[in-house]
Amino acid sequence: AQSVTQPDIHITVSEGASLELRCNYSYGATPYLFWYVQSPGQGLQLLLKYFSGDTLVQGIKGFEAEFKRSQSSFNLRKPSVHWSDAAEYFCAVDQGGGNKLTFGTGTQLKVEL
Amino acid sequence: DTAVSQTPKYLVTQMGNDKSIKCEQNLGHDTMYWYKQDSKKFLKIMFSYNNKELIINETVPNRFSPKSPDKAHLNLHINSLELGDSAVYFCASSPSSFSGNNEQFFGPGTRLTVL
Repeated sequence: AQSVTQPDIHITVSEGASLELRCNYSYGATPYLFWYVQSPGQGLQLLLKYFSGDTLVQGIKGFEAEFKRSQSSFNLRKPSVHWSDAAEYFCAVDQGGGNKLTFGTGTQLKVEL
Repeated sequence: DTAVSQTPKYLVTQMGNDKSIKCEQNLGHDTMYWYKQDSKKFLKIMFSYNNKELIINETVPNRFSPKSPDKAHLNLHINSLELGDSAVYFCASSPSSFSGNNEQFFGPGTRLTVL
């Protein structure tokens, strides 16, 4: 069965600093990979997704993620964090064909001003 | 224009009651989902419907019964509510269930509190 691991439960960064949120997945073939963001009291919004092709994908709000097959990782990055980026971030994987998303446990990002 | 809407936003009720949560999407999507997010923020899929037909039914107590009157609506009825049902329930939709490269659009969630 597919699984997703987000090793960092909480991360705190200073505004303007760079950010990397880790995500590792467990699946035999190349999965479909997603990053979602959840602001307090809100639903989930898709930041970016990877299906195939270029392993570096660009998303909304200045986020990008890189798929590394050898490491089974799909880490999310942002060069300069803004205070409004404080939220919960979820990595998700779909093994394909069924749109059945398996989510990681989330990483809560706090931004210090 | 709300893409995926849920009602109510908050629901507080007593143990043993029966309650429903409604979901509607105006995106013209074929597939809709229900997810449960527990107190630790863990998200897990419960059900998925494609064009009114059930296609994903995870290990969920049969006190939970989804109903899809048409492909734009997916309601969740819960019988005999228990304390452990307290959670945030999210509805989502996607264009199709038969391709994994579909983005799922989420509603704002319904926070259910069982006392």
